[in-house]
Amino acid sequence: KNQVEQSPQSLIILEGKNCTLQCNYTVSPFSNLRWYKQDTGRGPVSLTIMTFSENTKSNGRYTATLDADTKQSSLHITASQLSDSASYICVVSAADYKLSFGAGTTVTVRA
Amino acid sequence: SQTIHQWPATLVQPVGSPLSLECTVEGTSNPNLYWYRQAAGRGLQLLFYSVGIGQISSEVPQNLSASRPQDRQFILSSKKLLLSDSGFYLCAWSTSGGVHEQFFGPGTRLTVL
Repeated sequence: KNQVEQSPQSLIILEGKNCTLQCNYTVSPFSNLRWYKQDTGRGPVSLTIMTFSENTKSNGRYTATLDADTKQSSLHITASQLSDSASYICVVSAADYKLSFGAGTTVTVRA
Repeated sequence: SQTIHQWPATLVQPVGSPLSLECTVEGTSNPNLYWYRQAAGRGLQLLFYSVGIGQISSEVPQNLSASRPQDRQFILSSKKLLLSDSGFYLCAWSTSGGVHEQFFGPGTRLTVL
């Protein structure tokens, strides 16, 4: 069964600090992995998308990594801002284009 | 540029009442369209997807149905709502073919009382 596990479930960080979110998956055959940011009460917005051959991709202060061998991905937020408070969702696409969603990590940035 | 709209943004309905949520996409043709439900603390659950007008695939058996009367219109319906239908409903679109990055709408918060 294709699964996506994210950790931690939630975290609180001080403004200006860095944090790293984890995503482990069992989706096979793998096609691509995306990270989405979802503000409370809003639809998810794509941050990064990586295929099998890519092991890192950045979008501003967001950097995603992918290890296809260990089936792990991380999302690193640098110099966090209050606007980074949101839920971050890891989504893995199988080769048949079906998506498996993680439950998300809720990040709270405090001043 | 492409945009996706959902309405209403919030909805409170009594148990047993009908439901109609609408999703429209602008700026693209022949998109794949999706309906998801998001429960608190859970991942998004795919309810329906459509690759063309009148073509609907259901992922899970449930109290809901979907229709695609026009190329860029996707409707989620129910004849009689249940308490368990409460949740956050998201519509999404993607281009057909290739890597299907999905773009999500703003969502509809449905509360069934």
